[in-house]
Amino acid sequence: QEHLVESGGGVVRPGRSLRLSCVASGFTFRNYPMHWVRQAPGKGLEWLAVISYDVNRKYSAHSVKGRFTISRDNSKNMLYLQMNSLRVDDTAVYFCAREEFGAVDFWGQGTLVTVSS
Amino acid sequence: QSALTQPASVSGSPGQSITISCTGTSSDVGGYHYVSWYQQHPGKAPKLLIYDVTNRPSGVSHRFSGSKSGNTASLTISGLQADDESHYYCASYTSSDTLLFGGGTKLTVL
Repeated sequence: QEHLVESGGGVVRPGRSLRLSCVASGFTFRNYPMHWVRQAPGKGLEWLAVISYDVNRKYSAHSVKGRFTISRDNSKNMLYLQMNSLRVDDTAVYFCAREEFGAVDFWGQGTLVTVSS
Repeated sequence: QSALTQPASVSGSPGQSITISCTGTSSDVGGYHYVSWYQQHPGKAPKLLIYDVTNRPSGVSHRFSGSKSGNTASLTISGLQADDESHYYCASYTSSDTLLFGGGTKLTVL
């Protein structure tokens, strides 16, 4: 059975850094592009970044460009999101997700990041 | 880049059909076939309902269907059921190779 499990969330002060991880199982991780998507409390979905199956291409949203970096380790079935210079408005549940057929077809349950002083 | 435009809320009675629109530009919805729709119940991860404008993943009810005309995509839910009450989001790939979500629509089943 397919699984995506995020970890690394928590409470962090503004300006600090945090790295989120996502472990994949039950499917051939190295074959799929992977995404990070977040959802602030009571708000809609916001796409953050995508990385190609072979790591060669990465794209990110303007709102996090230069602060957030997506990466992956196909040998460990792991996806990462390095978040720097965190702001209060980065508070959200962060989802890792798999892409197939140009859509996000499978999602993790999310990890909550709270940025607060 | 601004979110795709969806109505904030729609409603319908059990058994009826409703349609949720998703309006973008020629740089996203109008220019690409990679339009998708998601259902999200409170506290849960989103679930893919439609991909490539009109295609349903295995296991998704035939009551859900997608279409597109110009810069506007639509999700139609027929034979409304109580369990369809949820939030719905559209998404589209863009000319910048990024993904863009709609603002979301809350569906109320009366």
